[in-house]
Amino acid sequence: QMQLQESGPGLVKPTETLSLTCIVSGGSINSNSYHWGWIRQPPGKGLEWIGSIYYSGSTNYNPSLKSRVTISIDTSKNQFSLRLTSVTAADTAVYYCGRRPYYYIDVWGKGTTVTVSS
Amino acid sequence: EIVLTQSPGTLSLSPGESATLSCRASQSVSKNYLAWYQQKRGQAPRLLIYGASNRATGIPDRFSGSGSGTDFTLTVSRLEPEDSAVYYCQQYGNSPETFGPGTEVDIK
Repeated sequence: QMQLQESGPGLVKPTETLSLTCIVSGGSINSNSYHWGWIRQPPGKGLEWIGSIYYSGSTNYNPSLKSRVTISIDTSKNQFSLRLTSVTAADTAVYYCGRRPYYYIDVWGKGTTVTVSS
Repeated sequence: EIVLTQSPGTLSLSPGESATLSCRASQSVSKNYLAWYQQKRGQAPRLLIYGASNRATGIPDRFSGSGSGTDFTLTVSRLEPEDSAVYYCQQYGNSPETFGPGTEVDIK
């Protein structure tokens, strides 16, 4: 059974870059059956799609974040990553990675909390 | 961008009753590409329904989805205490994909 696990710093300073990695186990990320995505949830709020990547490296980003987001994939390590630049307090959230058979998410990571604060 | 509105905001019901949750889109959702998720407190969301009416793997048949175009419904029959959660809809037929604000279901 495939599992996803987010990892990265829990605290990031304002104006710096947030970097997270999603490690995929129980299956290969190098599959033409899935996209891989990032979603976030600010404290007490709803879900926001950040972006996604295909095994080939093609990406799709939320226009509201596109200027600050980069998602990459490393098939040799079976993982994909998120970089979000110039963070502010508004980027404080639980960040989830997920597997996408199409554009819904059928397998979710447990999530990792990222706080932006000096 | 398609805006999703969910109603009611909160639903309080008893075990054994049925819950009807609404998700309305600001414009037609392409190919009825709408999903429903359940999120319990402190947990990641769980996929319940995709393509408006297809149950995800392992989801009991108490959960059913329906609707098309701009109006979609999630029905949860024979409510159990473990169904207490926030339920989100997501449209993925139009870019950017968007989520609704959620409906909180409380089973007392």
